[in-house]
Order: sequence, then C-alpha cells, then structure tokens
Amino acid sequence: EVQLVESGGDLVQPGGSLRLSCAASGITVSRNYMSWVRQAPGKGLEWVSVLYSGGATEYADSVKGRFTISRDTSKNTVHLQMNSLRAEDTAVYYCARDCIDGRCYFDYWGQGTLVTVSS
Amino acid sequence: QSALTQPRSVSGSPGQSVTISCTGTSSDVGAHNSVSWYQQQPGKAPKLMIYDVTERPSGVPARFSGSKSGSTASLTISGLQAEDEADYHCCSYAGTHTRWVFGGGTKLTVL
Repeated sequence: EVQLVESGGDLVQPGGSLRLSCAASGITVSRNYMSWVRQAPGKGLEWVSVLYSGGATEYADSVKGRFTISRDTSKNTVHLQMNSLRAEDTAVYYCARDCIDGRCYFDYWGQGTLVTVSS
Repeated sequence: QSALTQPRSVSGSPGQSVTISCTGTSSDVGAHNSVSWYQQQPGKAPKLMIYDVTERPSGVPARFSGSKSGSTASLTISGLQAEDEADYHCCSYAGTHTRWVFGGGTKLTVL
C-alpha cells in the first residue's frame, strides 16, 4: 500500500522559512516524479514544484527562487524548503506522485500539511 | 485566478447526470491528452477519478466518464448518488516549465 505522509506545516511570519517533508512508503521516491501541490483556503489546487527521477526540478513562477524541492533517498522522503514566505503562500500543501514510467497524473496524495503565513 | 476555467457549482438530483466543463487553451488542454479529474471531499486530499482524458483508475465507478473537445475537457457523472457530492478539480499538462495547471474547482451538490 502506498502512503505519503507530510509534516512540517506551521504558523510562520512573513519573510520566514519553513521546511516541509513527505515521507513515502510503498513507492521509491527516486524512481518517480514527485510534486508538491497546494490549496489556499477556499481556493482551487495549484501545482508548486516537481522533482524528476533524474534529479532535475521545476517550479511554478509564483515560488521560483524562493522554494527548493529535494529528496533524501536514505529516508525515502521529499522535502520542500520554503524561504521568503508571503501571506499568499498560506495553503494546505500536498505531496503527490506525479509520474511513473511515462504515466503522468497524481494518483497518490498525502493528507496535506497546513502552512499559515501571518504576523 | 486559475489557469483552467470551471463552473463554480453544478447540481443534480439522484439518478440524474451532470457534466462539469473545464476550459483551457491551445497550450494546455488543447495540446495534450494528459487531462485528469480529482474528487475532493471536505477536509480530505484529492482523489484521482479520471486520467488521460477518458481513463478510469481501478475502483472508480463506471458512472464517471471523461471527454475532450478542442480546449475543453468534461467530466460526466451519470446516475448521481449522494456520495458524489464533493468538489471536482480538473488538471492538464501544460508543458515542461509550467508542467501542470488546474481549474478553480466545481462544487457538486446532489439535491
């Protein structure tokens, strides 16, 4: 059974930093494309970042230069380092499997972790 | 403002059919067949319902179907059931850098 478990969400002041983690079981994160998707309160979903199996990364324009996605293969975990946080980054952040063997869609999701940016 | 346009809400009575539209552009929905739909119950993570425009994952009822014409994708739910009441989000591949775009979500109410 595949499980993705996010952690690290918290209340942080504007300009602050936070590191989210997504611990995976049932899949090997380094063999998959792994994405972060966020949902602001009462809003739709927004793709944030992807970490390709080969190690390359992509980011939404809204977070480029501020967020960094990475993985720890020894812990089968994906991280999202978020710096220079803004009020508009307030959202539930989901970790999701993005692609496996050329099949691209979000088939597995974590339960989400809430990030609140406020003074 | 979301990249893909969905109606904010739709409704239907049990047993009826409803269709939710998702309008994009020639750069996303119109250019790729990687269109997917997600069901989201309140306070829960999204659940994959349709992928590659028309495909259903194992375990998703056949009442759920997807289609696409030009830059507009659609999700049809036939034989509505009370448990179908939820938010539905469409998603499309949009190229290497943008990667994925979503709609703003549609709230389905079963009357």
